[in-house]
Amino acid sequence: DGGITQSPKYLFRKEGQNVTLSCEQNLNHDAMYWYRQDPGQGLRLIYYSQIVNDFQKGDIAEGYSVSREKKESFPLTVTSAQKNPTAFYLCASSINPGTNTGELFFGEGSRLTVL
Amino acid sequence: GDSVTQMEGPVTLSEEAFLTINCTYTATGYPSLFWYVQYPGEGLQLLLKATKADDKGSNKGFEATYRKETTSFHLEKGSVQVSDSAVYFCAPGGSARQLTFGSGTQLTVLP
Repeated sequence: DGGITQSPKYLFRKEGQNVTLSCEQNLNHDAMYWYRQDPGQGLRLIYYSQIVNDFQKGDIAEGYSVSREKKESFPLTVTSAQKNPTAFYLCASSINPGTNTGELFFGEGSRLTVL
Repeated sequence: GDSVTQMEGPVTLSEEAFLTINCTYTATGYPSLFWYVQYPGEGLQLLLKATKADDKGSNKGFEATYRKETTSFHLEKGSVQVSDSAVYFCAPGGSARQLTFGSGTQLTVLP
């Protein structure tokens, strides 16, 4: 079945370490997104990519980095510069970022805990 | 930019009760409107959507009507079930950038 796969589902990190969260989609979608979700809060956009080899910062990009070398993949690196990285991270994709529909398809999420 | 104001939770109801979760938005133009649902420990799933004024989106007994005059998209269900317990997010679309999500409303349905 087509969908979005995020891994790992749970990740523990020591302070000062970089970690990379994987996001893979086989929906042939052009656009991909990373969101951060904190308890009791909505989703905040970290980075998004509308096409391969191009990406833009979202609202809270500081301390994060991404790449989009393949259409199917959009990994997120949480760097040591991110002051409060413990959160639930959601990857999403959409068919065509230029349309006015905006429907997103989400992965199951990755929960990162900094020890 | 776009913004959305969603009814704060948590909301606790008994099974078979009527549900309303209010959502109002501000946006440029006339965006598509969405309700997403998030079950515990999972990502978000599209629940329903409406793409133009006066459209009614519906799915799994939930409904929401696109009200342009009040810029609202309230979610309703006539008889909730325990399995409806989740967090519900309202989101106006409309830009190439991405959706703007509300803060989410936690719904708990008691048997």
